[in-house]
Amino acid sequence: EPEVTQTPSHQVTQMGQEVILRCVPISNHLYFYWYRQILGQKVEFLVSFYNNEISEKSEIFDDQFSVERPDGSNFTLKIRSTKLEDSAMYFCASKITGVNTGELFFGEGSRLTVL
Amino acid sequence: GNSVTQMEGPVTLSEEAFLTINCTYTATGYPSLFWYVQYPGEGLQLLLKATKADDKGSNKGFEATYRKETTSFHLEKGSVQVSDSAVYFCALYLGGGGNKLTFGTGTQLKVEL
Repeated sequence: EPEVTQTPSHQVTQMGQEVILRCVPISNHLYFYWYRQILGQKVEFLVSFYNNEISEKSEIFDDQFSVERPDGSNFTLKIRSTKLEDSAMYFCASKITGVNTGELFFGEGSRLTVL
Repeated sequence: GNSVTQMEGPVTLSEEAFLTINCTYTATGYPSLFWYVQYPGEGLQLLLKATKADDKGSNKGFEATYRKETTSFHLEKGSVQVSDSAVYFCALYLGGGGNKLTFGTGTQLKVEL
């Protein structure tokens, strides 16, 4: 069964360092998302991406964040200069385009710890 | 704005017990409602959904009914198993824009023998 894969599963970084989280969405999906969950809090929407551009982003997704689909298979989230409060589980998700539904397919998540 | 509120966990039950996980929502339109589940070491996966008022979503023995009058979508199962131990997320979807889901905090369920 096709699945969304994410790497790394866990990354520890120092405050101020750049981090790139990688995702491989399901191959025939065209909508891509990043969500995050700070421990004990809600799963929060960060950004959605379609047709090689951001279609929506939340207030959390400030200038320190960027997304890219560099090669037609990977979908990356970059945090330029990490802060302590960026420590969270980051989930990538994808969806088949043309279907107006909330049925997203999620990866296992990448846990980011900022020290 | 749109939001989802779930009961706090962890919820600890004995095998074969009845499960209810409460979920209420606030939305500016008529959302579709979802329960997602995250088993240990895995990603979130769709458990069930309901797209309009009075619809009942069901899967793997779990059920939830879309109650517009109480803005609720409570998850129930008549007899839980150890294998149901997971984190359960209630979510709403309104479409438009980036087609994003709005999630609750998640409720951890632990089922013991």
